[in-house]
Amino acid sequence: AQTIHQWPVAEIKAVGSPLSLGCTIKGKSSPNLYWYWQATGGTLQQLFYSITVGQVESVVQLNLSASRPKDDQFILSTEKLLLSHSGFYLCAWSLQISNERLFFGHGTKLSVL
Amino acid sequence: GQQVQQSPASLVLQEGENAELQCNFSTSLNSMQWFYQRPEGSLVSLFYNPSGTKQSGRLTSTTVIKERRSSLHISSSQITDSGTYLCAMGSGGSNAKLTFGKGTKLSVKS
Repeated sequence: AQTIHQWPVAEIKAVGSPLSLGCTIKGKSSPNLYWYWQATGGTLQQLFYSITVGQVESVVQLNLSASRPKDDQFILSTEKLLLSHSGFYLCAWSLQISNERLFFGHGTKLSVL
Repeated sequence: GQQVQQSPASLVLQEGENAELQCNFSTSLNSMQWFYQRPEGSLVSLFYNPSGTKQSGRLTSTTVIKERRSSLHISSSQITDSGTYLCAMGSGGSNAKLTFGKGTKLSVKS
């Protein structure tokens, strides 16, 4: 069975500090990977997607970056956090881009103070 | 751009009542999904239903592509059904981007 693990579960960070959020998918080779974000009280929106190792496409510009260093790993990061980065971050995977059926991790709650 | 309108924004029910949640899309859709969002934010996948009707226990999802709408019916509601229900559409792009609605907040009271 496929499992998706996100870390950390929650973070409280200062404005201007760096951030690294991670996601690992087990039990599925070469998945498509995605990062979604939801501001408090806002709507979930896609930030990045990756079809293969080493390739990441940005969907929304939020002064964040993403990388896929391994087939089963997706990293979201920034060197300087902004207050507006607060919210809930979800990692997701899918088998096929075409059918758009996504499976989500449990998410990371980020509070930037 | 693509828009997803969910209605109602909130709903209060007495335990045992039925609920009908609606989702309308501004553009043609390739796929759609219903999720339950837990209070802490994580998502529970309820249905992947690009078209037609699917049922799981007390939940029924119906998607009518031509009319660009989908509904989620909850029968005999229970207190544990309380929470936020999200619908999301995919438009068949190259990035499997789901466009989410703002959600329906359901509260079931005894």
